Amino acid sequence: EVQLVESGGGVVQPGGSLRLSCAASGFTFGSYWMHWVRQVPGKGLVWVARISNDESTTSFADSVKGRFIISRDNAKNTLFLQMNSLRDEDTALYYCARGGSKGLDNWGQGTLVTVSS
Amino acid sequence: DIQMTQSPSSLSASAGDRVTLTCRASQTISTYLNWYQQKPGKAPKLLIYVASKLESGVPSRFSGSGIGTDFTLTISSLQPEDFATYYCQQSYNTPWTFGQGTKVEMK
Repeated sequence: EVQLVESGGGVVQPGGSLRLSCAASGFTFGSYWMHWVRQVPGKGLVWVARISNDESTTSFADSVKGRFIISRDNAKNTLFLQMNSLRDEDTALYYCARGGSKGLDNWGQGTLVTVSS
Repeated sequence: DIQMTQSPSSLSASAGDRVTLTCRASQTISTYLNWYQQKPGKAPKLLIYVASKLESGVPSRFSGSGIGTDFTLTISSLQPEDFATYYCQQSYNTPWTFGQGTKVEMK
């Protein structure tokens, strides 16, 4: 069974940093592109970033470009999102999701990031 | 960026109804269109990928169609467990973008 478990969320002040993790199991992690998607509670889904299976390619939403870094450790089956220079508008539930030709076919349960002074 | 527009934003329906949701892309995306269902407090779930392919385990009452800019998700006979919010999403190019969602509520 595919499992994705996010962690690392919490409360951080504006301008601060946070590193999210997503532990994957139940599939060959190193064979899949991985994504981060966020959602303000009660609002819609917003794609944040993706990384290729071999880490050679990354892409970001304009709203986070230059501030967020996506990376992965295929030996540890873990995806990361380093979030720097955090803003109020980054407050959201962050999901990791497995990507491929089928879109986003498996999602974690999310980790909540709150940016507040 | 490609904008995805869903209509309606919400609808009220009864169990057994046939329901059709629409998604329009701001430019052609071939069939790079996926549909997700999200229930309150839960992660989204993939229903349909590449416009018309049913994800494994998804009931056959769900179907998708469309190509280019106009797409539909149809639920042939609405079941109580189908009351949820549905999102379309394009994977034609980055940034991937989602529609704003259609909330299907019980009449």
